[in-house]
Amino acid sequence: QVQLKESGPGLVKPSGTLSLTCAVSGDSISNGHWWSWVRRSPEKGLEWIGEIHHSGRTNYNPTLKSRVAMSMDKSKNQFSLQMTSVTAADTAVYHCAASSGWFRLDYWGQGALVTVSA
Amino acid sequence: ESVLTQSPGTLSLSPGERATLSCRATQTVSSTFLAWYQQKRGQAPRLLIWGGSNRATGIPDRFSGTESGTDFTLTISRLEPEDFAVYYCQHYDTSAKYTFGQGTKLEIK
Repeated sequence: QVQLKESGPGLVKPSGTLSLTCAVSGDSISNGHWWSWVRRSPEKGLEWIGEIHHSGRTNYNPTLKSRVAMSMDKSKNQFSLQMTSVTAADTAVYHCAASSGWFRLDYWGQGALVTVSA
Repeated sequence: ESVLTQSPGTLSLSPGERATLSCRATQTVSSTFLAWYQQKRGQAPRLLIWGGSNRATGIPDRFSGTESGTDFTLTISRLEPEDFAVYYCQHYDTSAKYTFGQGTKLEIK
């Protein structure tokens, strides 16, 4: 059973960079899953941010693509999200998730609240 | 990109009753690309149904998913106390990847 745990600063200043890490346990990050970030806010509900594969391939939500980058650290079995030029609209609970295919997200982390405020 | 609209926004029922949750797509989508999730407060979302009607591992058979054109339905045949939560439908396409409905809150009446 794959388990995911998000970590990172809970407060980011406007125009700053949001950085989060997802620690993966129960399986290797190189086993073929696609690893995603999804955020949840009262205004937008659930919003998919992007995904990364152990091959290095990435896919991003077109609406966020210019501000988002994802990376992977195979030695630590974790992957990360960076979002630049954040505003209050980026305040949300950020979940990491894993897909084994079949157009679904099989496993999710509990989520980390990130607030954008001065 | 198909937009998913869930209804009702809130559903108030009692344990033992049947729950019917709707997810309507603005364009015809294949059930292959439709999934349902349950999220309880403070917890990770849990995959319930994938491919429109396939239960995920460990999901009780009181949960079922069906499709009729652009309408998808999640049915919980007899509500248990642990079923009261927020439910989301999700669609996958090659451009926007994963998109979600706004959720239905299932609350105890």
